This record gives sequence, structure tokens and C-alpha cells, in this order.
Amino acid sequence: GAVVSQHPSWVICKSGTSVKIECRSLDFQATTMFWYRQFPKQSLMLMATSNEGSKATYEQGVEKDKFLINHASLTLSTLTVTSAHPEDSSFYICSARSLGQGGSYEQYFGPGTRLTVT
Amino acid sequence: AQSVTQPDIHITVSEGASLELRCNYSYGATPYLFWYVQSPGQGLQLLLKYFSGDTLVQGIKGFEAEFKRSQSSFNLRKPSVHWSDAAEYFCAVGSNTDKLIFGTGTRLQVFP
Repeated sequence: GAVVSQHPSWVICKSGTSVKIECRSLDFQATTMFWYRQFPKQSLMLMATSNEGSKATYEQGVEKDKFLINHASLTLSTLTVTSAHPEDSSFYICSARSLGQGGSYEQYFGPGTRLTVT
Repeated sequence: AQSVTQPDIHITVSEGASLELRCNYSYGATPYLFWYVQSPGQGLQLLLKYFSGDTLVQGIKGFEAEFKRSQSSFNLRKPSVHWSDAAEYFCAVGSNTDKLIFGTGTRLQVFP
């Protein structure tokens, strides 16, 4: 089956620094990738939709200058949390959409990245 | 408005018992429906999906779900639960051109 990887799986950084998270589709090409944020014991909150070669579409309330998304290739999207603060600590999950037969599709999710800002 | 409702926040069952997790949706177009499972600290794994055709879909790990258009429901079932099924379960709705909308999740606890 389709595999999506994320790197790093966890990261601790100091307040004010920037952190980059990578999301890769390992065995398929993904024209669309999604970035989610999940707080403890809560559902996934979509942050942005990333299309290869174009600017990301951010959900309402998500600061595009703080959460920089780059989708430079069909297999790689990156999320950079700039000037991180403790309130940015969360579990970040990416997913990649694969088109199947007959127009069907499904999203494959990465294992997530736990970010802790001290 | 587009939304997914999972009315049960937490469900506890005994190992070997049957399970049904409820999911209701509100969606303007023909929905694509999904069930995902998440173990603690992990990403989401797709259990099953419905796009069209037979309204009873089979998934992995012995799960199945039935799409009932008249009730706007897509409930997940398993005839006999195993201790390893303890996890968080998310129902989601979307389309081939739209983002997924997730429910708030149901936490399943399994007692031996």
C-alpha cells in the first residue's frame, strides 16, 4: 500500500527558533498534500492544502507567515514553523492524496511529528 | 453546512463483544466516506472507504461499515472486538475535489 513518511518524528526546539517538518510520499506521486494539527484527545484540524508547484491554501485562522508550506515536488511537502512559541507545541500530521481508478481517491497519512517548544 | 458527527466520545466493550461506532454526516454533494483508526502517538490508518456501489463495505481488521443515505449515516461495525482494537476512531467525509472533514473521534476501550 501507499506509504507516507514524516521527518522528524519528534522535535524539541527553543522558543523563537524555526522548525522544518518533511512529508514524503514514498511509493506514489501526490499532487495534493494536506497538513493537519492535532491537540491531545482532539480531532484533526486541517491547516492547509498544498498543491505541487503552487501556493498552499490555508484554512481560516491559520497564519500563513507562521506556518510556511512548500510543495516543490510530487513526493515532498514541507511545513516550517517560524519563530515557534510554546503554544505551537502540538502533533502535526501530513497526508497525501492519491487518485485511484474511476476518479476515486484516498488520503494516506504520515505517522505524525510531535513538536515541543520550550 | 458540511459536518461529521460522532455522538459517542468514549465506548467501552469487553473483548469478544460486538461493536458499532456511529457516524452521521451532513454534506452537500455525493459523499465519499471514510473510517480511520489512530493508535496513541501515531498517524491515521484507513480502515475502509465508500465511494459508490454496494452500501456495505468491508475493511481491514474485520471491520465493516454500512452507508445509509436516508439516515445520512456510515456506522462502523465489528462482530468480535479484540484487545488490539483499542484506539481512537475517526469518521470522515469528502469528495474527489474537496478536503476531508473529520468527526471528533470515538475512543474505544476494550476490557479483557
